[in-house]
Amino acid sequence: DAGVIQSPRHEVTEMGQEVTLRCKPISGHNSLFWYRQTMMRGLELLIYFNNNVPIDDSGMPEDRFSAKMPNASFSTLKIQPSEPRDSAVYFCASTPDAPLRLYGYTFGSGTRLTVV
Amino acid sequence: DAKTTQPNSMESNEEEPVHLPCNHSTISGTDYIHWYRQLPSQGPEYVIHGLTSNVNNRMASLAIAEDRKSSTLILHRATLRDAAVYYCIPDHAGGTSYGKLTFGQGTILTVHP
Repeated sequence: DAGVIQSPRHEVTEMGQEVTLRCKPISGHNSLFWYRQTMMRGLELLIYFNNNVPIDDSGMPEDRFSAKMPNASFSTLKIQPSEPRDSAVYFCASTPDAPLRLYGYTFGSGTRLTVV
Repeated sequence: DAKTTQPNSMESNEEEPVHLPCNHSTISGTDYIHWYRQLPSQGPEYVIHGLTSNVNNRMASLAIAEDRKSSTLILHRATLRDAAVYYCIPDHAGGTSYGKLTFGQGTILTVHP
């Protein structure tokens, strides 16, 4: 089991550019979560999917952020246009489609985004 | 949502037990208590969870107060690899399939050789 795979590990981009972060959940996991972590705000839940359908995107900061899950093995988080305040570590997590009490989340290693 | 209170930081010596406390006085009767940890430069990692009874696994033990207003994560013999931020999280899942976890600030555990 390769775990949750995120790419790229590091991304440096200029303000105004489009950024796409990628996540491959663990095979068989039906729920997928995107988190953002900064020193000031800690870990924030941005959006989560169940069976490829967005269930709750109330944590998405603004219209510049969008997330998709075209199939069970792939999800993207896109920022367009990017701004320096988007600099953070972005984590993807997945869990089987079961009550939370049975399974914990498995997190990826994260993508460190720097917008200059 | 239940509010949690954890110490900002704690220190321990290697091979000694560590008791990490968490207060969750407004927890509801159906909320499980989850613990995650985050090692430096890594994503959070599941540690343990429970409802009312004390729970044990290969990583740690979870002691839950009888009134459920507090819990303690116990690392029986701390190692340098246990140095991490530890998060205590009531789940508010309510038995649904779409559980969300809301992370607080956690406790930074430092382990001294």
